[in-house]
Amino acid sequence: AQKVTQAQTEISVVEKEDVTLDCVYETRDTTYYLFWYKQPPSGELVFLIRRNSFDEQNEISGRYSWNFQKSTSSFNFTITASQVVDSAVYFCALSEAFGNQFYFGTGTSLTVIP
Amino acid sequence: DGGITQSPKYLFRKEGQNVTLSCEQNLNHDAMYWYRQDPGQGLRLIYYSQIVNDFQKGDIAEGYSVSREKKESFPLTVTSAQKNPTAFYLCASALSYNEQFFGPGTRLTVL
Repeated sequence: AQKVTQAQTEISVVEKEDVTLDCVYETRDTTYYLFWYKQPPSGELVFLIRRNSFDEQNEISGRYSWNFQKSTSSFNFTITASQVVDSAVYFCALSEAFGNQFYFGTGTSLTVIP
Repeated sequence: DGGITQSPKYLFRKEGQNVTLSCEQNLNHDAMYWYRQDPGQGLRLIYYSQIVNDFQKGDIAEGYSVSREKKESFPLTVTSAQKNPTAFYLCASALSYNEQFFGPGTRLTVL
């Protein structure tokens, strides 16, 4: 069963628009960790954020914000006032407390049009 | 600077040949991982290792082999048994339950 679902395969927005990338996860563990990564055209994955299951506070970092809701098993990522440099593939991932595996979603390809 | 290095960046292989992809980290991380990424797709786990001299198969281990003789190094061999090896290969490392840090990747093409 898919542990991390990113239903949006591709999104295009015009520069300065806000955009939200959805992530839904599935786990039976009470302790787990959620992540977002950015993959620019160069290919290397860049870590953006880590959240543990006991911390449901939303987080804001500049134009980026994350909304973690355990009730809906979602960890959504919003980019405010998008820029062309935000164009990339974004991956959501889950790590469970037992075992060191990461489960990645299939990614959302974001294109910001100038 | 601490980080993960992968070499080579581009690799070309003839059918029937084995090739080895290098992955080195100086972050003192215990766990290391190999992923395969095909165009327009997500990451699929090939192998991972949590400690030296121990490793586990991931979802698509067939046709691949690894070793973990040193904490810093986790080379991946793509054998001739791998029927469709053309892909982008990413190596990562992590401390337990923490974020994975990724190398720049190796793009393997079979001629």
